[in-house]
Amino acid sequence: GESVGLHLPTLSVQEGDNSIINCAYSNSASDYFIWYKQESGKGPQFIIDIRSNMDKRQGQRVTVLLNKTVKHLSLQIAATQPGDSAVYFCAEILNTGGFKTIFGAGTRLFVKA
Amino acid sequence: DAGITQSPRHKVTETGTPVTLRCHQTENHRYMYWYRQDPGHGLRLIHYSYGVKDTDKGEVSDGYSVSRSKTEDFLLTLESATSSQTSVYFCAISREENQPQHFGDGTRLSIL
Repeated sequence: GESVGLHLPTLSVQEGDNSIINCAYSNSASDYFIWYKQESGKGPQFIIDIRSNMDKRQGQRVTVLLNKTVKHLSLQIAATQPGDSAVYFCAEILNTGGFKTIFGAGTRLFVKA
Repeated sequence: DAGITQSPRHKVTETGTPVTLRCHQTENHRYMYWYRQDPGHGLRLIHYSYGVKDTDKGEVSDGYSVSRSKTEDFLLTLESATSSQTSVYFCAISREENQPQHFGDGTRLSIL
């Protein structure tokens, strides 16, 4: 499959452990955040989103935390499975009159069986 | 998947030839986008469309043109391909510009 990013930060976890993937953003005008998962040879897949008026949102095995004070976003994956191995990246939607989506570079998650 | 089909999935061509990539959606979303993804750069916006015949440039639009004659189709054209345009190209759609984008599975383009 394609090489999404040769120099991405990598997180390696044991199957069954919890994973935490972090993302820093810089723009106070961001009012919507999204996490994507990208497997080798595929397009980015929407996982979960969160509005800026929230600080936590839960999905199935995933939780997103938003700390607006330090402009930090995290994705927590519970009981990580081999199928979770992928590149994860965050995106922010800026509201500056018009809207603009900015994508982060990503973190590669490797799950050891 | 969000009903997005990109074609072709793989293409190898020579420098100087024209190339057209197609994105087809079945979701009736208003916004469509073309990105390229290269190691070390993440997703970079080439062009986007906010309706039939309504398009605008992204951050890396030089050497690319687009057309949208129907809601469901968004074409990306490289008029005269160069080796620097070797990349993986993704199409995305969104209902509105302040909504999450959903992606196709990409076209791997190699220009020799």
